[in-house]
Amino acid sequence: NAGVTQTPKFQVLKTGQSMTLQCAQDMNHEYMSWYRQDPGMGLRLIHYSVGAGITDQGEVPNGYNVSRSTTEDFPLRLLSAAPSQTSVYFCASSYHEGANYEQYFGPGTRLTVT
Amino acid sequence: AQKITQTQPGMFVQEKEAVTLDCTYDTSDQSYGLFWYKQPSSGEMIFLIYQGSYDEQNATEGRYSLNFQKARKSANLVISASQLGDSAMYFCAMREDILTGGGNKLTFGTGTQLKVEL
Repeated sequence: NAGVTQTPKFQVLKTGQSMTLQCAQDMNHEYMSWYRQDPGMGLRLIHYSVGAGITDQGEVPNGYNVSRSTTEDFPLRLLSAAPSQTSVYFCASSYHEGANYEQYFGPGTRLTVT
Repeated sequence: AQKITQTQPGMFVQEKEAVTLDCTYDTSDQSYGLFWYKQPSSGEMIFLIYQGSYDEQNATEGRYSLNFQKARKSANLVISASQLGDSAMYFCAMREDILTGGGNKLTFGTGTQLKVEL
């Protein structure tokens, strides 16, 4: 099992550019989510999905889009990058909602917007 | 709204000694879960331990134990016999609303940076 994989590991964007952060898991987890980590602020939830075709907003969704067409993949799209989106992004997955299962995190993507 | 508070930005501990990392939480939910994660300098998030709000016993996983005091809304992590490899950032997190299907959303604290010294 590869677990949760994220690509790319590092990315530099110019303000206004768009890009997609990729996330995939091979554990057949229904639940997937995206967090961002900023210095001194812990991790904050951006978007999440409880299954293919179902997504919802987290605490800080503005400027990001997600879709979930398959169980395995949960890409995060930055529509028009801003310097405030400079952060480390983590994708996570777990077994179905309603259960007390741990979340498995990907290795993270470090994004810099200039 | 939920909130997790970690009041210790940084802690030092001598190797082989025990250390307690504090975590307090605020929620109006009756059913919730508490997690601790470790983040070493390499950046990955490593799950350490979980405590459910209805669990009567404190959770333990090897050298990690969770001191759960529900009335005080605290969920402190105790690391026994500290090792140099324990030096890392530690995050407390809470999952809301387990029984009503609120998803597996986690709210994180700001973390405690632990340094283990010889």
